[in-house]
Amino acid sequence: SAVISQKPSRDICQRGTSLTIQCQVDSQVTMMFWYRQQPGQSLTLIATANQGSEATYESGFVIDKFPISRPNLTFSTLTVSNMSPEDSSIYLCSVEVVNEQFFGPGTRLTVL
Amino acid sequence: GQQVMQIPQYQHVQEGEDFTTYCNSSTTLSNIQWYKQRPGGHPVFLIQLVKSGEVKKQKRLTFQFGEAKKNSSLHITATQTTDVGTYFCAGRSNDYKLSFGAGTTVTVRA
Repeated sequence: SAVISQKPSRDICQRGTSLTIQCQVDSQVTMMFWYRQQPGQSLTLIATANQGSEATYESGFVIDKFPISRPNLTFSTLTVSNMSPEDSSIYLCSVEVVNEQFFGPGTRLTVL
Repeated sequence: GQQVMQIPQYQHVQEGEDFTTYCNSSTTLSNIQWYKQRPGGHPVFLIQLVKSGEVKKQKRLTFQFGEAKKNSSLHITATQTTDVGTYFCAGRSNDYKLSFGAGTTVTVRA
């Protein structure tokens, strides 16, 4: 199994600013995933972060808007840049261990 | 790209009754996973199905993977208030990408 923590748990931000979300895992993992879940909606994969290489972004998500760092095998950050109200969402970090996907508690972001 | 459709979006169930949620993929899947998300919580892995026609049970939950590996179902018998939440299926395609269905949000009338 894997235990994942995220910081912050929630934040309210002004449009045009940026927020960096941290994700910490209690074990070393090759891939870490960042998802977005808008209120009442399903989960959408933003990008996959591998240690030592650039993140792989899904269609509709770009590095300039969602830069990701992966400095080691237990930690990753996702930055939401130049925020607008449309970025209000829950952002979830996830890892896969033996074909099972574990999710962090999420970061609830509100952009005013 | 791969799409996973899930129905119904909402399920209002009388306590003690059964219900089923269904997932369909536009492409053949290598496996399918099911998750439960309680209100205010994060998705929690329930099970993974890999083989064509596979059926797995977890107490009152029965999971099925279709013969063509393009559809799946979750059947819950004798629904309890603890079953409240949103159930997501997630299909893994051959390129290893995981696509989540829209989810079925379950409410229970006591």
